[in-house]
Amino acid sequence: DAGVIQSPRHEVTEMGQEVTLRCKPISGHNSLFWYRQTMMRGLELLIYFNNNVPIDDSGMPEDRFSAKMPNASFSTLKIQPSEPRDSAVYFCASSLRGAGEKLFFGSGTQLSVL
Amino acid sequence: GNSVTQMEGPVTLSEEAFLTINCTYTATGYPSLFWYVQYPGEGLQLLLKATKADDKGSNKGFEATYRKETTSFHLEKGSVQVSDSAVYFCALSDRDTDKLIFGTGTRLQVFP
Repeated sequence: DAGVIQSPRHEVTEMGQEVTLRCKPISGHNSLFWYRQTMMRGLELLIYFNNNVPIDDSGMPEDRFSAKMPNASFSTLKIQPSEPRDSAVYFCASSLRGAGEKLFFGSGTQLSVL
Repeated sequence: GNSVTQMEGPVTLSEEAFLTINCTYTATGYPSLFWYVQYPGEGLQLLLKATKADDKGSNKGFEATYRKETTSFHLEKGSVQVSDSAVYFCALSDRDTDKLIFGTGTRLQVFP
């Protein structure tokens, strides 16, 4: 298996633009997590899905952030409009049966908002 | 709420030195505990886990014991290598919310 695949690896955009990050979880995994990593705040859980359904989005910072999982093999995290403080590395992770199981992380998307 | 506290880094060691990275947790109930490792430019990888009190997780020479009485899960390795240089994250899984809560990470730098 290719592991969790995220795209793009790097994204540079200007303030106010829409940004879409993509994730393909490992086939057969039914839980998907979006994390944000910054020097100041460390790793923050933004949202997670179980069987394609959002279970907890309490970590989503504000309404500018939205996430979808239209099917078991694809998820997106969208920021509209983007702001410089959104600059971070965004990780997607998947697992079998939730957080108690081993999480497999993608390589992340390095987002820079100028 | 549930939380994880790790020692601040960086931890700087010479090759073959003994490593300890402290981790304590606050949780209701009985969470599972994890150590994840992040190598430069990569995502996190599970290093080891323990699911109940007194369990010892081990992998690649690293060990950590689930200590309920001290609410700790310290990471140890007897002899570190340059290739162990990475950021190490302690984490717990909240059984009620099914979330994985990470500490802030500790950077380890090993020099030859």
